[in-house]
Amino acid sequence: LAKTTQPISMDSYEGQEVNITCSHNNIATNDYITWYQQFPSQGPRFIIQGYKTKVTNEVASLFIPADRKSSTLSLPRVSLSDTAVYYCLVGDEGGGFKTIFGAGTRLFVKA
Amino acid sequence: EAGVVQSPRYKIIEKKQPVAFWCNPISGHNTLYWYRQNLGQGPELLIRYENEEAVDDSQLPKDRFSAERLKGVDSTLKIQPAELGDSAVYLCASRAVGGGSSYNEQFFGPGTRLTVL
Repeated sequence: LAKTTQPISMDSYEGQEVNITCSHNNIATNDYITWYQQFPSQGPRFIIQGYKTKVTNEVASLFIPADRKSSTLSLPRVSLSDTAVYYCLVGDEGGGFKTIFGAGTRLFVKA
Repeated sequence: EAGVVQSPRYKIIEKKQPVAFWCNPISGHNTLYWYRQNLGQGPELLIRYENEEAVDDSQLPKDRFSAERLKGVDSTLKIQPAELGDSAVYLCASRAVGGGSSYNEQFFGPGTRLTVL
């Protein structure tokens, strides 16, 4: 199982771009990379998923280098409401995907 | 579209008492997960169902925890007897296979916060 490593916490200011990097050195060929966001007293919410290169949706971008041993979640122009915990997961559905959440990265956005 | 429904939202019990949590997944989602989340930590998978079959229960403490998903729809997670260390948030999630969903997009319910005194 691919283990992930993320920074424990990050601080930012409103309007800035925030990049959260996740290391997954043991990622397997069939593994996808998925990011979730969690607010206090709520369940996690899917943000974005990718396999390689770059993926962008209305919320974030996900950058994955060619070796796929890391990935970077990019949040453009954060607001106070982006204060949350962000989790990086890797896994392969066909291989009996075992969802493993680490401790995540606590992002605190200041005014 | 209704989300994942869980009940109760909060539960306070004395140790050694039994407790049960209920989850109704999003309609049509055949994969259902139960997680436990301790304060300051990420969710920990307890059990995963594909339809009515438990395909991964390796993290479920089987001496006191049990789960069922009759008819492959809603599910119940039970603890009997509860211990002080079981205090946590119990999250249910569901996922569709195919049908346009992202490969591993799980939809989570709001969770049940259990306090064992």
